[in-house]
Amino acid sequence: SQQGEEDPQALSIQEGENATMNCSYKTSINNLQWYRQNSGRGLVHLILIRSNEREKHSGRLRVTLDTSKKSSSLLITASRAADTASYFCATGRSYNTDKLIFGTGTRLQVFP
Amino acid sequence: DVKVTQSSRYLVKRTGEKVFLECVQDMDHENMFWYRQDPGLGLRLIYFSYDVKMKEKGDIPEGYSVSREKKERFSLILESASTNQTSMYLCASWGSPGNTIYFGEGSWLTVV
Repeated sequence: SQQGEEDPQALSIQEGENATMNCSYKTSINNLQWYRQNSGRGLVHLILIRSNEREKHSGRLRVTLDTSKKSSSLLITASRAADTASYFCATGRSYNTDKLIFGTGTRLQVFP
Repeated sequence: DVKVTQSSRYLVKRTGEKVFLECVQDMDHENMFWYRQDPGLGLRLIYFSYDVKMKEKGDIPEGYSVSREKKERFSLILESASTNQTSMYLCASWGSPGNTIYFGEGSWLTVV
């Protein structure tokens, strides 16, 4: 069953612009994670935010979490062509990662 | 650098064949996972293992089995491959609760 749903499904922007992706989920969570996947490759972890955190930064990435709205957003600032990839949110309903459920992803295209 | 290695990157098998997908991790992780990824469906958990010789069904275990004889190795078995099992298969491992998952590069399986 799908827990996280990313929005939009696809996003195209120019280099230098900011990219914002959203994730909504259904049940209460312990943490939410964002992953990146280059075309045809495995997923790479970007950032984890716990349910008691509201915002987290890592380099050009900013993640927010609103547990009252059951939603999270990933902002990539000053995007680069190399940021072109699919981005997935994954939610953990407990400390057991067997409950880590992935969304369907946002495909980001950054044009040079 | 942490590593999850999937032995086969691309496979083509015939309907009815038995298929083995191998995954090895070098991080001494207890937990290992098999996902399949299909367009529009995101990642779906097939099976996971939290210890040697232990396994649990994920969301879509039908048609699959797994083997975990050694801590570093987690195998996915398709007893009798069918065309609807054509997909990308991702292996992952995880060491600690609430932390990140490390993925392999994926195995593209085509069943003809």
